[in-house]
Amino acid sequence: AQSVTQLGSHVSVSEGALVLLRCNYSSSVPPYLFWYVQYPNQGLQLLLKYTSAATLVKGINGFEAEFKKSETSFHLTKPSAHMSDAAEYFCAVTTYSSASKIIFGSGTRLSIRP
Amino acid sequence: EAQVTQNPRYLITVTGKKLTVTCSQNMNHEYMSWYRQDPGLGLRQIYYSMNVEVTDKGDVPEGYKVSRKEKRNFPLILESPSPNQTSLYFCASSLRRHVADTQYFGPGTRLTVL
Repeated sequence: AQSVTQLGSHVSVSEGALVLLRCNYSSSVPPYLFWYVQYPNQGLQLLLKYTSAATLVKGINGFEAEFKKSETSFHLTKPSAHMSDAAEYFCAVTTYSSASKIIFGSGTRLSIRP
Repeated sequence: EAQVTQNPRYLITVTGKKLTVTCSQNMNHEYMSWYRQDPGLGLRQIYYSMNVEVTDKGDVPEGYKVSRKEKRNFPLILESPSPNQTSLYFCASSLRRHVADTQYFGPGTRLTVL
């Protein structure tokens, strides 16, 4: 069975600062990993996904994530935070054999200070 | 416009009164799924459907029913709601039942059971 852990339920950064949201996964087989973003009062939308191709994945709005098998991590980064990045971010994992099911992390709320 | 719609968006009901939350997608997607979102727990999968007349349990199916009689619709039924089903519910769909497919989420239904 797979699982995902997001470290930090709330992260606050200054506008223009680096954004780093942490995600660690557990899976006995090669995982497929996702980051979703949820803006206030909206559903989730996909930021980026890792599906065993390049380990550095670029997504929308300047976000990227790097798959590190040795560290079982898939941290989300953005070089310079904007006020519009304030939202909740979810890491998720699935595998080829369990493609109908996806496990989400508990979420990290990102706040941006002016 | 390609979208997933849910109705109602907000619902307050009482214990034991049967209710249905509708979900519809206009993208001809095969796969549909229901999730509940609770603070600190992220999203948990309730039921999913890989195609018409094909449904299966997710991680938290107790107290819920679903049906998939048409490809576009995937209603969630609570036959005897209880207060522990107070939550934010999301419907999602993807083109195929494939691990790499992006899920598209509806706007959510906030349910309160008194």
